[in-house]
Amino acid sequence: RKEVEQDPGPFNVPEGATVAFNCTYSNSASQSFFWYRQDCRKEPKLLMSVYSSGNEDGRFTAQLNRASQYISLLIRDSKLSDSATYLCVVNALDSNYQLIWGAGTKLIIKP
Amino acid sequence: EAGVTQFPSHSVIEKGQTVTLRCDPISGHDNLYWYRRVMGKEIKFLLHFVKESKQDESGMPNNRFLAERTGGTYSTLKVQPAELEDSGVYFCASSQDWGGASYEQYFGPGTRLTVT
Repeated sequence: RKEVEQDPGPFNVPEGATVAFNCTYSNSASQSFFWYRQDCRKEPKLLMSVYSSGNEDGRFTAQLNRASQYISLLIRDSKLSDSATYLCVVNALDSNYQLIWGAGTKLIIKP
Repeated sequence: EAGVTQFPSHSVIEKGQTVTLRCDPISGHDNLYWYRRVMGKEIKFLLHFVKESKQDESGMPNNRFLAERTGGTYSTLKVQPAELEDSGVYFCASSQDWGGASYEQYFGPGTRLTVT
């Protein structure tokens, strides 16, 4: 079983729609949670950290459910520029805070 | 402010040859990380330097890989001898701090290594 699991997609979504990604993690001791964005043949970039109470940054909302070991990312009013791969990432003290990566979910926004 | 830089951007070598990848972190960042993404797989941690010391090298796949960070500035990752399964994209990242959620890692553009 993978440590961080994501639906690989691709998700094909019309511009302006709302899209949600989910991610599950296996280590119950995971401490910090992140969503990264990676454009094709580029480096990953931090999109947002995920806090226990949930957090929002503009059109992006992240939620964490520790009991179910589940993280979500919601994108509202999607733009063409949101097309990318979204990577779910966690770390834990018992693994020296190494970033443990999901394989990513590919999002394609269509005009 | 300059970001993380990596050299070369691409490298094609034959099995059995040696390749050295270089990473220059953001100035002032004590923490430097190496990652690898093999095609179709997730990004995997290789190792973490704090200044010139190896904080965590548990992700290094085998002793064909040698990472150094002399003087605590730039880092090199040498693969010797290279094998076919070493092909992938090698990312370097740096951060001011580490541990928990108190830091952001900034990634370089990666080195795409192809071993033929």
